[in-house]
Amino acid sequence: NAGVTQTPKFQVLKTGQSMTLQCAQDMNHEYMSWYRQDPGMGLRLIHYSVGAGITDQGEVPNGYNVSRSTTEDFPLRLLSAAPSQTSVYFCASRGTSELETQYFGPGTRLLVL
Amino acid sequence: AQTVTQSQPEMSVQEAETVTLSCTYDTSESDYYLFWYKQPPSRQMILVIRQEAYKQQNATENRFSVNFQKAAKSFSLKISDSQLGDAAMYFCAYVGTGANNLFFGTGTRLTVIP
Repeated sequence: NAGVTQTPKFQVLKTGQSMTLQCAQDMNHEYMSWYRQDPGMGLRLIHYSVGAGITDQGEVPNGYNVSRSTTEDFPLRLLSAAPSQTSVYFCASRGTSELETQYFGPGTRLLVL
Repeated sequence: AQTVTQSQPEMSVQEAETVTLSCTYDTSESDYYLFWYKQPPSRQMILVIRQEAYKQQNATENRFSVNFQKAAKSFSLKISDSQLGDAAMYFCAYVGTGANNLFFGTGTRLTVIP
């Protein structure tokens, strides 16, 4: 099992550009989520999904879109990047038998100029 | 909303010694889970230990153990026989049973001195 994978590892964008952060998991987990980590702060939930076709907002959803067409994939879209979206982004997944334990991908570092 | 507080931004420990990292949380729920995650320089978030609130017994994973005080809403992590590889950021996290948001503290940076 590869676990949770994320691409790219690092990306530089200009203000106003769009991009998609990819996330995939091979553990057949129903629940997937996106977090962002900013300096001096813990991770904060952006969006989550409890299964294919079902998504919902987390704590800091503004400026981000998600969709979940398959169990394995949960991409995060930035429609018009802003410098405030400079952060490290983590994808996580959890199975229903995992006692609420989320497993994280390696992260994507995003720099918006 | 639930809050998780880690009051020690930085801690240091001599190699082979024991160190305790503190965490407190605020919740009105009775059923929840608590976690400690380790984040080394690689940035990977690694699960260290998990505690179910309905269990009175403190969780233990090899050199890592917790002191869970439900009434005090305290969840500290003890690392015994500290090793150089333990140097990392450590995050305390909370999630209500059936909830979707994992709430994190701001982290404690642990330095291990050879």
